[in-house]
Parts: sequence; structure tokens; C-alpha cells
Amino acid sequence: AQSVSQHNHHVILSEAASLELGCNYSYGGTVNLFWYVQYPGQHLQLLLKYFSGDPLVKGIKGFEAEFIKSKFSFNLRKPSVQWSDTAEYFCAVNAPGNSGGYQKVTFGTGTKLQVIP
Amino acid sequence: GAVVSQHPSWVICKSGTSVKIECRSLDFQATTMFWYRQFPKQSLMLMATSNEGSKATYEQGVEKDKFLINHASLTLSTLTVTSAHPEDSSFYICSATRGRRDSPLHFGNGTRLTVT
Repeated sequence: AQSVSQHNHHVILSEAASLELGCNYSYGGTVNLFWYVQYPGQHLQLLLKYFSGDPLVKGIKGFEAEFIKSKFSFNLRKPSVQWSDTAEYFCAVNAPGNSGGYQKVTFGTGTKLQVIP
Repeated sequence: GAVVSQHPSWVICKSGTSVKIECRSLDFQATTMFWYRQFPKQSLMLMATSNEGSKATYEQGVEKDKFLINHASLTLSTLTVTSAHPEDSSFYICSATRGRRDSPLHFGNGTRLTVT
């Protein structure tokens, strides 16, 4: 079965600092990878996704993530965070080969990011 | 963008009663909906996969007789927690997708259930 681990549970940064949130997954086959974000009081929404192709994926709001297959990682990055990036970030993986189908994703435990103005 | 409405956003019920939670896709047809449960400081745990017009597929360890799921139309799925107990208190979240391989998941705002 696939699993996802996020190393940081709570990150506090000052505005303009650079961000990198770690995500590792365990599954030996082809995977689809996602980062979801949940702003305070709002629902989860997709930040970016990787299906195939260029392992460096650009998402909304200046976020990017790099898929490193050899490390089973999909870390999220942003060069300069803003106060409005304060949210909880979830890494997720889906293994299309699983019987659950394409949309059955497994989520990490989430990382709460707090950006201090 | 695609919107998923989940209702109610919070509910308090007495032990032994049943609670129904609705998940609606407002502007798209959701062939598949998912129900998750989230405990404090833990990840979203998938409870079941619901396909329109067919029986839900439950994850291991989830009691299908306790968590009744109905996906009667392409825009509505319901989760009924039957004979609720305090240990069922949790945050329940639904997501919906058009079902294509590259279709993203669209999430509802979640329902906070408290059983007293």
C-alpha cells in the first residue's frame, strides 16, 4: 500500500523567507503526486500536481515542487513566502495501478505553515 | 471553478441517534465522490469511495453498516452515521471528481460531528 510522510508538522517563517516542505512517499510503481493547501476556514484545494513529464512542476501562487524519483520525494518550494501563504499543506500520492483507481489518493499528515509579517 | 458544498458544517447529536451529511457538486457532474475522516493532528483517512448508481467501496476497518453512503445522482452523495457514539466524533470531509484520470479532487468544507 502507498503511504506519504511529511517531515515538518509546523513551520514558522518570516515574510520573504524561502520555503521548502518535505514529502516522501512509499510506492514502487508509477505515481501521481499532489500538493493540496487549506487556508484558514476554507476547504482543501489543489496547489499543483505531477503526472508525468518535467519533474519540476509549477503551481499557483508561485509554488513549485520537484519530483525526484530516486528519492521518492516531492518537496514543495517557494522562493519568498507571504503572510497570505499561512495555511496547512498536504502532500498526496495516487498510484494508478492500485485497484482503487486513479482518484484514490493517500494524504500525508499535513504541515502547518505560519508566516509572520 | 468546481464547487463542492458540504452540509451541515457542524452538528451536535446525542449518542444513539443518526446523522446525515450531504455532499453536493454544484457546477459539475461527479461520477465519483470520496468520504474522509480526519482526527486532530492526523491526516485525512479515506473511508469509502462512492460511485454514482453503485454501492460504495469501503476501506478496510470502516464499518459499512455504521457509515451508510448513498450516491443517488451525479451531484449528490450522502454519508449517514448510524447510532452515533462519542468515538464517532470527528471531522468528515467529502471530495468529488469528474472521474477522468487527470481530474482533480474538489473538496467540501467538511463537517464537524460531535456526539454527546
